[in-house]
Amino acid sequence: QLQLQESGPGLVKPSQTLSLTCTVSGGSLSSGSNFWSWVRQPAGKKLEWIGRVSISGSSSYTPSLKSRVTMSIDSSKNQFSLKMRSVTAADTAVYYCVNGNSYGDSWGQGTLVTVSS
Amino acid sequence: DIQMTQSPSSVSASVGDSVTITCRASQGISSWLAWYQQKPGKAPKLLIYTASGLQSGVPSRFSGSGSGTDFTLTISSLQPEDFATYYCQQANSFPYTFGQGTKLEIK
Repeated sequence: QLQLQESGPGLVKPSQTLSLTCTVSGGSLSSGSNFWSWVRQPAGKKLEWIGRVSISGSSSYTPSLKSRVTMSIDSSKNQFSLKMRSVTAADTAVYYCVNGNSYGDSWGQGTLVTVSS
Repeated sequence: DIQMTQSPSSVSASVGDSVTITCRASQGISSWLAWYQQKPGKAPKLLIYTASGLQSGVPSRFSGSGSGTDFTLTISSLQPEDFATYYCQQANSFPYTFGQGTKLEIK
């Protein structure tokens, strides 16, 4: 069974770029479902699907974040990544990496990212 | 974006009770709906997919139904480990969206 693990800075300054990596173990990126996603959850709030990238490299993002987000896949490292530019305090949340074609079949444990100076 | 509305926002029940949570989509989503369980400090866990499909390893006391805009999650014979927050998620069109959650508490 695939295991997903998020990594990256836990603290990012306002206006800077948030960068997270998800490392997949227990199999390759191509052995899971075709889509690899990022979902976030501000404290005490509901989940938000940020976007997804396919194993072929095509990506889709939620419109409200599209101008600031880039996702990519590095099959050689069994990793996929999220970059979010120009962050504000509103981007403070637990960020999850997720595998699944339409649903979240497998999830990482989540990593808290705080945006603060 | 498709809006997902869950009710109730919270519910209290006792071990052994049966509970039903509802989820309404702002437009028709066929059967493209999932239910998740989330416990504090943990990632969501997929319970039900495509409205009524039981994810592997999930106990049969969990069941889902509905299509179009109205969906339900029923948990029969509640167990202590079932007390958590439950979310619905539509997968009819991107961006996928979640309901606001229903917190199931012990009475």
